[in-house]
Amino acid sequence: ELKVEQNPLFLSMQEGKNYTIYCNYSTTSDRLYWYRQDPGKSLESLFVLLSNGAVKQEGRLMASLDTKARLSTLHITAAVHDLSATYFCAVNSGYALNFGKGTSLLVTP
Amino acid sequence: EADIYQTPRYLVIGTGKKITLECSQTMGHDKMYWYQQDPGMELHLIHYSYGVNSTEKGDLSSESTVSRIRTEHFPLTLESARPSHTSQYLCASSEYKTGTNTGELFFGEGSRLTVL
Repeated sequence: ELKVEQNPLFLSMQEGKNYTIYCNYSTTSDRLYWYRQDPGKSLESLFVLLSNGAVKQEGRLMASLDTKARLSTLHITAAVHDLSATYFCAVNSGYALNFGKGTSLLVTP
Repeated sequence: EADIYQTPRYLVIGTGKKITLECSQTMGHDKMYWYQQDPGMELHLIHYSYGVNSTEKGDLSSESTVSRIRTEHFPLTLESARPSHTSQYLCASSEYKTGTNTGELFFGEGSRLTVL
């Protein structure tokens, strides 16, 4: 069974600080996805990582994938309040995406 | 970018009622999915489909049923709703062909169901 684990599950950080969210998964996969969810809303795709060593950046967020370590990271640079949301990583199980429990991020002044 | 629509967005009903949650997508995606998500919690796959006339049960056991008569339409039905069915239901779609397929899922806005 494919397990996807994120940590931390809750993160409160000050504006301007940097932090990294980690996503580990239990079986071999060369594809990993990051999504954002605002309260009461649906999921918005952030990054699609399709190979070992893939790195993608969008604004203050950067995602990377190490398939040998079965690890992906989502790095936040100089956080701003607008980044407050829940972030999910997901891995392809062969027929669908398995999601982690999500990291609830709160950026405070 | 996929356009995927769910109705109703919010529904409050009494126990024992039959309900259908509608999901339609306009991008011609073959694969469609239903996930269940309790507030602030992870997503659980309850149904998916590879295409017309294909339906499969997901990882989380569900009393709901689905149908796929048309490519663009993937409704979910609860024959007799109970309070334990209170949740958010998210529909998604993706391409299902080799080559340029990234496997990315595109989600609808969700249907939030409350059963009293």
